[in-house]
Amino acid sequence: SQQGEEDPQALSIQEGENATMNCSYKTSINNLQWYRQNSGRGLVHLILIRSNEREKHSGRLRVTLDTSKKSSSLLITASRAADTASYFCATDDDTDKLIFGTGTRLQVFP
Amino acid sequence: EPEVTQTPSHQVTQMGQEVILRCVPISNHLYFYWYRQILGQKVEFLVSFYNNEISEKSEIFDDQFSVERPDGSNFTLKIRSTKLEDSAMYFCASSRDRGYQPQHFGDGTRLSIL
Repeated sequence: SQQGEEDPQALSIQEGENATMNCSYKTSINNLQWYRQNSGRGLVHLILIRSNEREKHSGRLRVTLDTSKKSSSLLITASRAADTASYFCATDDDTDKLIFGTGTRLQVFP
Repeated sequence: EPEVTQTPSHQVTQMGQEVILRCVPISNHLYFYWYRQILGQKVEFLVSFYNNEISEKSEIFDDQFSVERPDGSNFTLKIRSTKLEDSAMYFCASSRDRGYQPQHFGDGTRLSIL
């Protein structure tokens, strides 16, 4: 797989349920970031986790990072219809660029 | 909260024409970036810019592309002679620093080449 592959590609849940998205990458990283993109809009930064961190929380978001498995997960708890969007992981290997994954399309039904 | 702003939101151009996409990064940010997203595909890095020069560029960023910071606030991407395959969403981003700082993205310019 390529750097930054998310799974699942699409996820449909009911409001109130938790949503978990996974990301795998191939090279060593400096940090990993998660972004949200609403349809036709730009990327909104959600959370950054450094390579020496294992877990990070921000509101209803929980991100884990396992550098030995080169994987990360994003958990959104108590989802809302407004969480409907595409979610991308992006790796930073201490160069200037972010390498984005393919994204997970999340649909939250009211 | 400060935002990255991009203009225009949609640009339609004939193949072979020059196009300039404009961005106003967040005012105290020092690093500037352009990315593009072809419909249905990944967001791809094009170029980064720091201290008035390109710091890194991808294979996509060939001689047809150039970037400029003509004044203290604007950051532009120029495509000299557009091709059909340049049709994409172009995102500008900025960050305060590199390393452990997030990149903040604008809403993008949808470029359609006819």
